[in-house]
Amino acid sequence: GGIITQTPKFLIGQEGQKLTLKCQQNFNHDTMYWYRQDSGKGLRLIYYSITENDLQKGDLSEGYDASREKKSSFSLTVTSAQKNEMAVFLCASSITGGNTLYFGAGTRLSVL
Amino acid sequence: QQQVRQSPQSLTVWEGETAILNCSYEDSTFNYFPWYQQFPGEGPALLISIRSVSDKKEDGRFTIFFNKREKKLSLHITDSQPGDSATYFCAAIASSSFSKLVFGQGTSLSVVP
Repeated sequence: GGIITQTPKFLIGQEGQKLTLKCQQNFNHDTMYWYRQDSGKGLRLIYYSITENDLQKGDLSEGYDASREKKSSFSLTVTSAQKNEMAVFLCASSITGGNTLYFGAGTRLSVL
Repeated sequence: QQQVRQSPQSLTVWEGETAILNCSYEDSTFNYFPWYQQFPGEGPALLISIRSVSDKKEDGRFTIFFNKREKKLSLHITDSQPGDSATYFCAAIASSSFSKLVFGQGTSLSVVP
């Protein structure tokens, strides 16, 4: 088995601040994902990456940047935090072309 | 536009009852439908899945019923237990899409002892 570790677990930011969320996986999976979870809206794909240094935009990429520094890690940057924004950001991984995603526990973002 | 819709948004059942969670979709190219279970403070985890060539998939107390013609599916949880209290996400993907699952908005299930 493996595990996905997301840091930090909780993130409080100020309006307009640039915030970075990190994700590490030891499944040795090629593909990694960032999803945003809002209450009542399900999970929406922000970015995904099929290999190191690859980046693909999801449906919700505006306002975010991502970086796949190495196979095991995938970072997400909120380029300018929006006031009163509250959401959970979930990182996931899968084998290439695989339909089963393995999720981390999430980073909970609050913007004051 | 929500391609995968779930109902109800929240559901409360008594322990021992059968909980029925509904899901519908629009894209006729979707052919694989996983259900994910998420407990508070955790990430979602795959619970059970079905391919469009089947109309039923069973795993213990969890059963998916699939109606391709109506583009609907449902998750039945029999003999519901308090430990089943969680949020359940229906998802869908077409074989032509590279691993881009589309998730529904989720159903929050509470099982009362």
